[in-house]
Amino acid sequence: AQKITQTQPGMFVQEKEAVTLDCTYDTSDPSYGLFWYKQPSSGEMIFLIYQGSYDQQNATEGRYSLNFQKARKSANLVISASQLGDSAMYFCARMDSSYKLIFGSGTRLLVRP
Amino acid sequence: GAVVSQHPSRVICKSGTSVKIECRSLDFQATTMFWYRQFPKKSLMLMATSNEGSKATYEQGVEKDKFLINHASLTLSTLTVTSAHPEDSSFYICSARAGGTGVVREAFFGQGTRLTVV
Repeated sequence: AQKITQTQPGMFVQEKEAVTLDCTYDTSDPSYGLFWYKQPSSGEMIFLIYQGSYDQQNATEGRYSLNFQKARKSANLVISASQLGDSAMYFCARMDSSYKLIFGSGTRLLVRP
Repeated sequence: GAVVSQHPSRVICKSGTSVKIECRSLDFQATTMFWYRQFPKKSLMLMATSNEGSKATYEQGVEKDKFLINHASLTLSTLTVTSAHPEDSSFYICSARAGGTGVVREAFFGQGTRLTVV
């Protein structure tokens, strides 16, 4: 199976500091998309950022940036200037050629005041 | 951005009854919708892919007679949990994509439905 791996089940970060959430993936598809979603306790899936496999530059969306290393098949999420509201589950996902999203196991982030 | 509405957000039902969950795309035509299931503190597991006007495609291990999916229009897909049992209690969430080729930048999710079978 082509998997998504998030090795950090839980992370702590001090408010206003940056944090990196790891994600590696396995695929044989030449073209694919990588996503990060935030899931607060309410359960909704909030889209954060997208990286296309052929994008030349790393994606950025406000305080979120994606450290995309294609050769290593990694797509780490960097959250800068952490806020208390960033405490949530974070899921990395890859979209395959049939548009299905395959999710990693998630990382629970807790921002400390 | 596009909006996907899922209803109900929470439902409690008795064992043996059936429950229908609706997923609507409010401002775009969703040719494909996906249904996921999430156990507590776990990841989202894809259950099935629903294409408008055709039968759903189920992932391995998902009982198609237990989880009936209907995608009768370009804006509505329904998931019916038939003869529900306590082990069917879970968080169910749908996502939708518009038509067209190529990897899209977003997959739009509904708010999710928390099902409790007692």
